[in-house]
Amino acid sequence: AQTVTQSQPEMSVQEAETVTLSCTYDTSESDYYLFWYKQPPSRQMILVIRQEAYKQQNATENRFSVNFQKAAKSFSLKISDSQLGDAAMYFCAYRSEARAQKLVFGQGTRLTINP
Amino acid sequence: EAGVTQSPTHLIKTRGQQATLRCSPISGHTSVYWYQQALGLGLQFLLWYDEGEERNRGNFPPRFSGRQFPNYSSELNVNALELEDSALYLCASSRSRASSYNEQFFGPGTRLTVL
Repeated sequence: AQTVTQSQPEMSVQEAETVTLSCTYDTSESDYYLFWYKQPPSRQMILVIRQEAYKQQNATENRFSVNFQKAAKSFSLKISDSQLGDAAMYFCAYRSEARAQKLVFGQGTRLTINP
Repeated sequence: EAGVTQSPTHLIKTRGQQATLRCSPISGHTSVYWYQQALGLGLQFLLWYDEGEERNRGNFPPRFSGRQFPNYSSELNVNALELEDSALYLCASSRSRASSYNEQFFGPGTRLTVL
């Protein structure tokens, strides 16, 4: 079974600075997707960024980018120029390409932005 | 485009009762997923419906059940409620499982409290 681990329960960063959230996963599959979701205090989960395992190029979405290391099974999220609105729980998630379609989530990292 | 909607927002029940939670997917989405977000347990996959059929279920007892209607909306039923069923229940929808571009978009959740 696949597992996702986020080793940082909490992180904080100064506004306008850069922060990196860590995620590792375990799988025996070669085809899969990885995601970062954001859950603000309003609790609605929002997709931040997605990475296909077959793509070597790291995904980017504006201020959000990932560092995908397939061999190391690592998938970190970098947030540049942090803004107060980035404060939220961030969840790393895995989805198999082949089956199940369910998302397997990490435990989450609570990100605080200090003004 | 309207997002995923869930009702009710909050639900308070007593132990032994039944709870019914509802979800309407994004227009054009045929897959609906249910997740439980309990305090300290993270996000756990519950059920996946696609094209009206149950495609997969997580490691939950049979008293958690549901269905998907012809309009692709879905209901989650929890029978014989237990205190530990208190959680935020999130519904997500995606395009058909046959589509490779099928991110899951989440609703705002239903907070179930069992007294």
